[in-house]
Amino acid sequence: QSALTQPPSVSGSPGQSVTISCTGTNSDVGSYNRVSWYQQPPGTGPKLMIYEVGNRPSGVPDRFSGSKSGNTASLTISGLQAEDEADYYCSSYTSSSTTVFGGGTKLTVL
Amino acid sequence: QVQLVESGGGLVKPGGSLRLSCAASGFTFSAYHMSWIRQAPGKGLEWVSYITTSGSTIYYADSVRGRFTISRDNAKNSLSLHVNSLRAEDTAVYYCARARGIYGSVPTYFDYWGQGTLVTVSS
Repeated sequence: QSALTQPPSVSGSPGQSVTISCTGTNSDVGSYNRVSWYQQPPGTGPKLMIYEVGNRPSGVPDRFSGSKSGNTASLTISGLQAEDEADYYCSSYTSSSTTVFGGGTKLTVL
Repeated sequence: QVQLVESGGGLVKPGGSLRLSCAASGFTFSAYHMSWIRQAPGKGLEWVSYITTSGSTIYYADSVRGRFTISRDNAKNSLSLHVNSLRAEDTAVYYCARARGIYGSVPTYFDYWGQGTLVTVSS
């Protein structure tokens, strides 16, 4: 199973909105509403930010939102803050009954 | 609060073995499925293995099947991963994570992760 495709990097200024895309196929993202997003600051373990496309766990700010269209899922961060600077990973359930991750996107807050 | 603390990583020669451990606290360990996920240096995440609450169902990624063995001790709130026949491409930080969103018998997301333990395979 190939990794999901994410842009290597995105950037934005404080207060702006950024969107990170996650492109799969009709064997994963396109067929299941089982997409999740993780935030990983340098040197730490990942933190769950979004699950099942658009659900936020308790404690995650509502500035973080998720969506999906066709084979592409998206994570949008509005009102960008310096503390949002981190690597972000998407993942999806696949038709092979496994979980596949994206290659990761480095978010830089300018 | 939920805590997952991994240990047992280190430098090992190709073909060698290690036992990774994960100590869980802050939740009822026996009530949750668990997974191991790894991250090669500078690379993305790769799901490695999954075990159900009782240990009765276990899954492995194709890349590690036959070489890695996952297990758990609910009495000790502990998750383990025995890694054998190690290869250079197994070099990674290994995370234990609480597995959720079961669909088709496998987890679809991971709601808590540890800080990881580094396994380096090199001669």
